[in-house]
Amino acid sequence: DIQMTQSPSFLSASVGDRVTINCKASQNINKYLDWYQQKLGEAPKLLIYNTNSLHTGIPSRFSGSGSGTDFTLTISSLQPEDVATYFCLQHNSGYTFGAGTKLELK
Amino acid sequence: EVQLVESGGGLVQPGRSLKLSCVASGFTFSNYGMNWIRQAPGKGLEWVAYISSGSSYIYYAETVKGRFTISRDNAKNTLYLQMTSLRSEDTALYYCARAYGATLDYWGQGVMVTVSS
Repeated sequence: DIQMTQSPSFLSASVGDRVTINCKASQNINKYLDWYQQKLGEAPKLLIYNTNSLHTGIPSRFSGSGSGTDFTLTISSLQPEDVATYFCLQHNSGYTFGAGTKLELK
Repeated sequence: EVQLVESGGGLVQPGRSLKLSCVASGFTFSNYGMNWIRQAPGKGLEWVAYISSGSSYIYYAETVKGRFTISRDNAKNTLYLQMTSLRSEDTALYYCARAYGATLDYWGQGVMVTVSS
């Protein structure tokens, strides 16, 4: 089974900061990595699919990069509404989720 | 607007059964595969089951295989998860999610299942 290691688990940043969250797969997952945002009490929301494709309606400050085993979600300029938990999901072989990154404002 | 609304959760004793439903709207339900995913309290997300648009392909996580059954009624725009022989470790928030290819592009808000005596 493919394992996903997400880092950091917790992140504190200021409005306007550039924020990066990482996911590392235990084996090659090609481009099949998605990123989600989940706010308290809400359904998870797809941000980025297949490494770097922006989902419909998602602001362009969100972007994804990577390939093979190492992937990154970047928020170019953090906004107050971005406070949430972010998690990755690999779907190259079955489905495996990252453990999540809780993002708060400094 | 795509909407997925789960229902049917609650408190159930170990060994008993429960059936979850997920009503879809805002898209042509019969064109999409669907999934169930769960999250135990304080734990990470776990994929549970998948069903293709026409029910031809069905897959389960090893942790629920033989106990859970995923099904759908395209005429009613509804996805189901029949859960039997429930265990304490099945306690979780259960989400349904639409499959766009293999990406889970829209999720419901979830329904809580608590297995306890």
